[in-house]
Amino acid sequence: AQTVTQSQPEMSVQEAETVTLSCTYDTSENNYYLFWYKQPPSRQMILVIRQEAYKQQNATENRFSVNFQKAAKSFSLKISDSQLGDTAMYFCASIPGQGAQKLVFGQGTRLTINP
Amino acid sequence: DAGITQSPRHKVTETGTPVTLRCHQTENHRYMYWYRQDPGHGLRLIHYSYGVKDTDKGEVSDGYSVSRSKTEDFLLTLESATSSQTSVYFCAISEILPTDTQYFGPGTRLTVL
Repeated sequence: AQTVTQSQPEMSVQEAETVTLSCTYDTSENNYYLFWYKQPPSRQMILVIRQEAYKQQNATENRFSVNFQKAAKSFSLKISDSQLGDTAMYFCASIPGQGAQKLVFGQGTRLTINP
Repeated sequence: DAGITQSPRHKVTETGTPVTLRCHQTENHRYMYWYRQDPGHGLRLIHYSYGVKDTDKGEVSDGYSVSRSKTEDFLLTLESATSSQTSVYFCAISEILPTDTQYFGPGTRLTVL
């Protein structure tokens, strides 16, 4: 089965600090797609970042960047200069292959940014 | 933001009653999905659609049916609601391919008493 694992149920950091959320995944495919989604208290699922497995370069979006280690099947999210508005649940997810028809989600990491 | 709405946003119903949730998109995207979110499980796929009248099952499809008679609307029906179907339901859309990024609606909280 294709799985996504987030080993940190909860994390807490001070505002302006850098925080890294961990994610590992399992797929036998060579071409697949990885995502981080943010779910604030409003419950809306918001795309943070997308990474295609065939791309060597790590994706970045402003303060958000990933460390994609294909051989290790690791896909961590780094949030720099954290802000109070970053407080949310963060979900790692994958589309595990070209023929896959769904997102496979991890269980989430609850991130709290403290003032 | 992708133009996705879900209705109703909240619903409380009783065991054994039928329930229909609606997802409406204004993006003309090909793919539409229904997920449920439960504590400890992340989101899990219920059903998806890859075109008008083209649907298929996801990993947790038992007790649910779907219909898509128009590009913009995707309906999820619980024929006879059970307490185990108490959950938050999300609709998502992706543009052309199943590997395209999925964008989510605001969710519907359903409580089955």
